[in-house]
Amino acid sequence: ETGVTQTPRHLVMGMTNKKSLKCEQHLGHNAMYWYKQSAKKPLELMFVYNFKEQTENNSVPSRFSPECPNSSHLFLHLHTLQPEDSALYLCASSPQGEGNQPQHFGDGTRLSIL
Amino acid sequence: GQNIDQPTEMTATEGAIVQINCTYQTSGFNGLFWYQQHAGEAPTFLSYNVLDGLEEKGRFSSFLSRSKGYSYLLLKELQMKDSASYLCAVLDSNYQLIWGAGTKLIIKP
Repeated sequence: ETGVTQTPRHLVMGMTNKKSLKCEQHLGHNAMYWYKQSAKKPLELMFVYNFKEQTENNSVPSRFSPECPNSSHLFLHLHTLQPEDSALYLCASSPQGEGNQPQHFGDGTRLSIL
Repeated sequence: GQNIDQPTEMTATEGAIVQINCTYQTSGFNGLFWYQQHAGEAPTFLSYNVLDGLEEKGRFSSFLSRSKGYSYLLLKELQMKDSASYLCAVLDSNYQLIWGAGTKLIIKP
């Protein structure tokens, strides 16, 4: 139990579907992150929210849309994805967006695009 | 550009010692993290180094040389459960985490 819960753990969807990934953290942190993890590649930071405000958007395609209704919850809305979007999507949280405190990760959602 | 290099895969024997190296070139430096990630699980924090030298935490130690842009993670008395990927990440001058691709460690009996 890492204190960061992601659902679903696995998701298979077609390219025309719309789905959402959910992340919830129970650590009282103020910053939350979405990462994409592909095999044998570094973690790619997608979005950062600090005190519910988006502070980073690293040139992510618009078919990925984040939502952060409060400091404990983070969503990633998916629409018209491509096969190359198949990957493990990790959510993380930390006490604040800038600082040297470690990030705490969820177990991820394994996404497969048909 | 910013870059983190670590070996793709390493193999070691149960009970032995293994050293996983990480070299980095980044825009500034505010510390280096090591994470462990078992297959299908969350990365979990192992260590943070910001000053030169060796930090020991049980069977795991982490070393940093800022002048050389180099760190290593030392695992002693290896156990089968240590089979995992080990991720090196550097906090740059903007407090952005720059990640390596990870080192997959295979432990053999």
